[in-house]
Amino acid sequence: DSGVTQTPKHLITATGQRVTLRCSPRSGDLSVYWYQQSLDQGLQFLIHYYNGEERAKGNILERFSAQQFPDLHSELNLSSLELGDSALYFCASSVLTDTQYFGPGTRLTVL
Amino acid sequence: TQLLEQSPQFLSIQEGENLTVYCNSSSVFSSLQWYRQEPGEGPVLLVTVVTGGEVKKLKRLTFQFGDARKDSSLHITAAQPGDTGLYLCAGARNANFNKFYFGSGTKLNVKP
Repeated sequence: DSGVTQTPKHLITATGQRVTLRCSPRSGDLSVYWYQQSLDQGLQFLIHYYNGEERAKGNILERFSAQQFPDLHSELNLSSLELGDSALYFCASSVLTDTQYFGPGTRLTVL
Repeated sequence: TQLLEQSPQFLSIQEGENLTVYCNSSSVFSSLQWYRQEPGEGPVLLVTVVTGGEVKKLKRLTFQFGDARKDSSLHITAAQPGDTGLYLCAGARNANFNKFYFGSGTKLNVKP
């Protein structure tokens, strides 16, 4: 158990809908990273928050947004969902070192 | 185009064989990490290498960071079925750790 929690574990929704994925980092970790993984591929970096502030963005679509709250949990919002958004979404937390601890992921299926 | 290229993409070997997985880039990284991921779970960190030429051993796994800090390799000796999984390399371009780049992964299957 990495200490990082993600909810929900599975999410099935329809095209055009909006969903929110939640991540709680390990106790004491100020950094939260979000990644997308499609079909046994590598992870695509989406966005990084540190202590409530956005620190870096990857190839995140404009339909996607994220935020980190004062209690350090983070939410990834995906809107106007398309079939191609079906993937595993992982968050990872860190104390801003090269060691990241990954959550169990949320599997999103868009029908 | 991925910043980190992993090869091979797939590897299916018999128990007891040795194997090497490569992670290459044209860019310099301040550190490289290797992760193993099992189906339905998040990646788990195996090792971090930070110094050019560094070699780290973790039981039957040997990790090497290239002298120029652009590439890395993972060598497994006498593979076991428990080594089966997706191996991912990842790297940070600088020491502010704002962004990590991942390779596309090597899917290893070790047959008993």
